[in-house]
Amino acid sequence: GESVGLHLPTLSVQEGDNSIINCAYSNSASDYFIWYKQESGKGPQFIIDIRSNMDKRQGQRVTVLLNKTVKHLSLQIAATQPGDSAVYFCAENIQGGSYIPTFGRGTSLIVHP
Amino acid sequence: EAQVTQNPRYLITVTGKKLTVTCSQNMNHEYMSWYRQDPGLGLRQIYYSMNVEVTDKGDVPEGYKVSRKEKRNFPLILESPSPNQTSLYFCASSRDRGQHTQYFGPGTRLTVL
Repeated sequence: GESVGLHLPTLSVQEGDNSIINCAYSNSASDYFIWYKQESGKGPQFIIDIRSNMDKRQGQRVTVLLNKTVKHLSLQIAATQPGDSAVYFCAENIQGGSYIPTFGRGTSLIVHP
Repeated sequence: EAQVTQNPRYLITVTGKKLTVTCSQNMNHEYMSWYRQDPGLGLRQIYYSMNVEVTDKGDVPEGYKVSRKEKRNFPLILESPSPNQTSLYFCASSRDRGQHTQYFGPGTRLTVL
């Protein structure tokens, strides 16, 4: 079946740098995307979402970009902090579908002080 | 505080011994689901429930049962656990089946010997 994947399993950055985590999806029918953050020993936590009628959405220090042409989305974290160290997942869903979201495997973000 | 709780957080059991992992949410959410998380495979949905007495299979339902007798509770039942069910389990809830973020519990680490 079609799946959501992540380009890089691990991303190491210095504190204060900007981080970019990428995600590729293959189901062109997907129209809702979510980024989750999972810290060690905890459950995934919602960060930001975006619907397919948008190209960009900004939150606090985070921005999600969606490129439907190449089926790619990215999560940008500005001024990365040590507390941002975690695994980041993207997930996709289809409006009106059975709501069995598909999750990527995750990218581990390591922030060095 | 809005939250999803799971119990137990850690469980070691033996093959064939029936067990139940409880899940409860205090947000009056209609939609609840169970996931398992395995290294290299990401989050995979086991079962979901769109409301009381309404449940359906996710991607990996074999070997699991669920029930939804009350809106707030969604227990996961392993009638005859096997070692391949050793995993990290997450319960999640959301307002409805639509495009809304899911809130995850803290996880249950299950080991089946």
